[in-house]
Amino acid sequence: SQTIHQWPATLVQPVGSPLSLECTVEGTSNPNLYWYRQAAGRGLQLLFYSVGIGQISSEVPQNLSASRPQDRQFILSSKKLLLSDSGFYLCAWSVRTVKETQYFGPGTRLLVL
Amino acid sequence: GESVGLHLPTLSVQEGDNSIINCAYSNSASDYFIWYKQESGKGPQFIIDIRSNMDKRQGQRVTVLLNKTVKHLSLQIAATQPGDSAVYFCAENRDGGSQGNLIFGKGTKLSVKP
Repeated sequence: SQTIHQWPATLVQPVGSPLSLECTVEGTSNPNLYWYRQAAGRGLQLLFYSVGIGQISSEVPQNLSASRPQDRQFILSSKKLLLSDSGFYLCAWSVRTVKETQYFGPGTRLLVL
Repeated sequence: GESVGLHLPTLSVQEGDNSIINCAYSNSASDYFIWYKQESGKGPQFIIDIRSNMDKRQGQRVTVLLNKTVKHLSLQIAATQPGDSAVYFCAENRDGGSQGNLIFGKGTKLSVKP
């Protein structure tokens, strides 16, 4: 069966510090991968998606970036965090041939102080 | 603008009763819909999906109904249990599946009273 992992589970970072969140998927090959942010009491906002290694599409202009160095690894980064970057970050995957059905990881709660 | 929304932000039901969570969508071109359950501090969990060529789909204790005429989606949970307490999101696919991009509603919080 497929599983998706995210780490760290929680993170407290000062404003201006860098960020690296990691997501890995097991049990499937060539997945589509997604990064979402969920602010408190709000819906999910798609940040990035990837259809393959090195292929990243950005949905929202911001100080975040994403990379996909391996087929089942997706990384969310920032060089300098802002207070507004606080939130719950979710990674998701979908099967290449059934793109619409997305499965989510456990999430990373980020607090920028 | 176009959006996926929910009629009720909160819903409180008695254990054992049936729950109905509603969702309205505005893009008539959307052809795929998903319901997710999100417990506090966890990622959304896939519950059930439905394509626009169907009106109804049933799972274990859950049923999704799709009314394309009025662009309305509902999730019915039979014999609601305390473990069903969570936020429920509907999501729609708008781009024909080219990238699998989903648009999510803000969610309805379901509270089950023992």
